[in-house]
Amino acid sequence: AQSVTQLGSHVSVSEGALVLLRCNYSSSVPPYLFWYVQYPNQGLQLLLKYTSAATLVKGINGFEAEFKKSETSFHLTKPSAHMSDAAEYFCAVSESQGGSEKLVFGKGTKLTVNP
Amino acid sequence: ETGVTQSPTHLIKTRGQQVTLRCSSQSGHNTVSWYQQALGQGPQFIFQYYREEENGRGNFPPRFSGLQFPNYSSELNVNALELDDSALYLCASSYWGADTQYFGPGTRLTVL
Repeated sequence: AQSVTQLGSHVSVSEGALVLLRCNYSSSVPPYLFWYVQYPNQGLQLLLKYTSAATLVKGINGFEAEFKKSETSFHLTKPSAHMSDAAEYFCAVSESQGGSEKLVFGKGTKLTVNP
Repeated sequence: ETGVTQSPTHLIKTRGQQVTLRCSSQSGHNTVSWYQQALGQGPQFIFQYYREEENGRGNFPPRFSGLQFPNYSSELNVNALELDDSALYLCASSYWGADTQYFGPGTRLTVL
């Protein structure tokens, strides 16, 4: 079974600073990987996805992630944090199960942006 | 194009009761998946519906059941509610076999 590990349940950065949220996965086959963002009291919004094309993936709101097979990582970055980036971020891997595709999520990283 | 919608937004039940949560998929999407997100945790896959049949299930007991209707909307039913069932329940829709799922806003269930 696939699994996802997000290092750091809480990350705090200053406005304008680099955002780095870490995600490592375990998968026996080339994975599909996703980052979702969840604002307070809301559902999940897709930030970006990796589906075996370019290893550097650009998403919405200035976020990007790089797939590194050798490190089994898919870390999320943003060069300059904005107050509106404060939210919880989830890394997920897609797992096939009897023809269906389910998402296996990490436990999430809560990002705080300080003024 | 309308997104995924869920109802109700919030719900309070007592132990032993039954609850039904509803989800309307994004326009054109024929597959619906349900996830449970406990406080402070990532979402956990409950099951997926396609062509009105369950197609894939996570580690949840049989008292969690669902339906999918011809218009692709879906229901999640939970019987004999337990305190640990308190969570945010998320519905996601997609095309069958597609790699991306789109989530609704969720239903917050509190079991007292």
